[in-house]
Amino acid sequence: GDSVTQMEGPVTLSEEAFLTINCTYTATGYPSLFWYVQYPGEGLQLLLKATKADDKGSNKGFEATYRKETTSFHLEKGSVQVSDSAVYFCAPGPGAGSYQLTFGKGTKLSVIP
Amino acid sequence: EAQVTQNPRYLITVTGKKLTVTCSQNMNHEYMSWYRQDPGLGLRQIYYSMNVEVTDKGDVPEGYKVSRKEKRNFPLILESPSPNQTSLYFCASRKPGQGGNEQFFGPGTRLTVL
Repeated sequence: GDSVTQMEGPVTLSEEAFLTINCTYTATGYPSLFWYVQYPGEGLQLLLKATKADDKGSNKGFEATYRKETTSFHLEKGSVQVSDSAVYFCAPGPGAGSYQLTFGKGTKLSVIP
Repeated sequence: EAQVTQNPRYLITVTGKKLTVTCSQNMNHEYMSWYRQDPGLGLRQIYYSMNVEVTDKGDVPEGYKVSRKEKRNFPLILESPSPNQTSLYFCASRKPGQGGNEQFFGPGTRLTVL
């Protein structure tokens, strides 16, 4: 079945540091790829997405590029802020012929001033 | 406002006492899902539904039931809760689509089973 391997946390960074959270996946076909963010005490919300190979999703300074050849979708931000402290989840869309969705285990990011 | 609502947000109960967590969405989405979130295990899918009266098991369905009698509602039923079902539960909905579409999540229900 489909699976997601996401960089384990927790990750602690100083404000303005560079962030990378690695994500690789296995899936049937070429699903859309998503990053979701969960702020403390809240549900998940979409951070960014990419729908096909070489697409770059971006939002709030975060970016991720759909790499078909390496089946990866790494999340990056050039300069993190305290307000970016949250849990980040990588999630491919359902594989071909499937309705099930698989999430990475989540990476907790803490940004200190 | 487009949203997914869940109730209750917090629940403490005892082993064996049947409970229902409600979920409702106002976006006319065909697909709905239930997840549980546990430390170190991330988000795991319990059940999902592709449309009214169409449901299927996810990765961890044991001990749970669902029903989808209306498009907007997708309640999660625990017939006889046990302590290992203590968890944070999320309901989500999305439109169907090739490769998948964005999921919209509810705010979560924190369940404690004593």
